[in-house]
Amino acid sequence: EAGVTQSPTHLIKTRGQQATLRCSPISGHTSVYWYQQALGLGLQFLLWYDEGEERNRGNFPPRFSGRQFPNYSSELNVNALELEDSALYLCASSKEPGGPDEQFFGPGTRLTVL
Amino acid sequence: AQRVTQPEKLLSVFKGAPVELKCNYSYSGSPELFWYVQYSRQRLQLLLRHISRESIKGFTADLNKGETSFHLKKPFAQEEDSAMYYCALSGRSYGKLTFGQGTILTVHP
Repeated sequence: EAGVTQSPTHLIKTRGQQATLRCSPISGHTSVYWYQQALGLGLQFLLWYDEGEERNRGNFPPRFSGRQFPNYSSELNVNALELEDSALYLCASSKEPGGPDEQFFGPGTRLTVL
Repeated sequence: AQRVTQPEKLLSVFKGAPVELKCNYSYSGSPELFWYVQYSRQRLQLLLRHISRESIKGFTADLNKGETSFHLKKPFAQEEDSAMYYCALSGRSYGKLTFGQGTILTVHP
């Protein structure tokens, strides 16, 4: 069984630009979750999508947004990038919408904002 | 608010010694507690969850609601147990896993 995949592996942007991160869940999983792992801040919940809808959102500004496509893959968009957005962004998926259930994680996208 | 605290950032033990990784939580309800592990150059993966009451790779964890704790234990540590361990909670706000800061476990030969 193929795991959660994320692209790109690394992304380098400058302040003020926009970043787009992509995630493909495990086949059969409808829920996709996004987390930010910034240095010193641990894993912070960003967003949860299920069946194409945003179901829950963490304590992040509106410039963090995303969407889920009909094939359940997802995009995370970060607008007006700031230096502190530099982090590892993890995507996870689960079979049961919203859990509480095991979430399967991807390898992450390392975003660097210069 | 839900919160998970892992008081130890680093924990070092010798092979064969018992190991306990501490996790305390704050949640006004019935939480689901998990332990996730990240081995070197691998992705984050589930180690165990309290509801299943399984022992995985020799690790166990008991939910103590009175002390609001979910400590991870193993009687005899192995070198391959060296990794980053995260305690996580899923509560009222579905979809959201709240993670502790993580504990880096190093098992010396």
